Amino acid sequence: GQQVMQIPQYQHVQEGEDFTTYCNSSTTLSNIQWYKQRPGGHPVFLIQLVKSGEVKKQKRLTFQFGEAKKNSSLHITATQTTDVGTYFCAGRRNAGNMLTFGGGTRLMVKP
Amino acid sequence: DAGVIQSPRHEVTEMGQEVTLRCKPISGHNSLFWYRQTMMRGLELLIYFNNNVPIDDSGMPEDRFSAKMPNASFSTLKIQPSEPRDSAVYFCASSFRGEDTIYFGEGSWLTVV
Repeated sequence: GQQVMQIPQYQHVQEGEDFTTYCNSSTTLSNIQWYKQRPGGHPVFLIQLVKSGEVKKQKRLTFQFGEAKKNSSLHITATQTTDVGTYFCAGRRNAGNMLTFGGGTRLMVKP
Repeated sequence: DAGVIQSPRHEVTEMGQEVTLRCKPISGHNSLFWYRQTMMRGLELLIYFNNNVPIDDSGMPEDRFSAKMPNASFSTLKIQPSEPRDSAVYFCASSFRGEDTIYFGEGSWLTVV
């Protein structure tokens, strides 16, 4: 079955440093979504990428979808303590298929 | 919109007891998901309903787990009998058409002692 892997599992950064999490799928994806879960909270949708090579930005967050539509990344510039949480990617193989969530990357930011 | 509503938010129960978790999806959404989250296994999809019909229950761990969706605005996840290894956060989520953004409830934190 489809597998979605995320690395790293955990990342400690100093406030102001950059952070990147990577997502890799065993199969080509029709689209990929990213979610953020704050400690003690629930996953909240951030963005969806659909096109090969697509890049989207949300303030300090940059999302990329690979050319082969099998990998994606989330980059945060100059992390802040409010960025703390677990970031999940979730891939969909075909329209109408289920989303498969990655294991998440837990980001911790030291002030 | 009130979002996905789950109850109870927290439950502590003794091993062997029956646990029922409840969910009200966002009005108008026709897909409903039950997920379980633990540190060891991450976020796991247990079951998925579309138009109140179970479509994929391959993630349900064993016969102790059952889920129902009697109507478009209500679903339950039941564990009977509960075991300590069932301790987890159980999320209900809904979406429109099963293809769009998934909206999660705040979760039901279950502890089985």
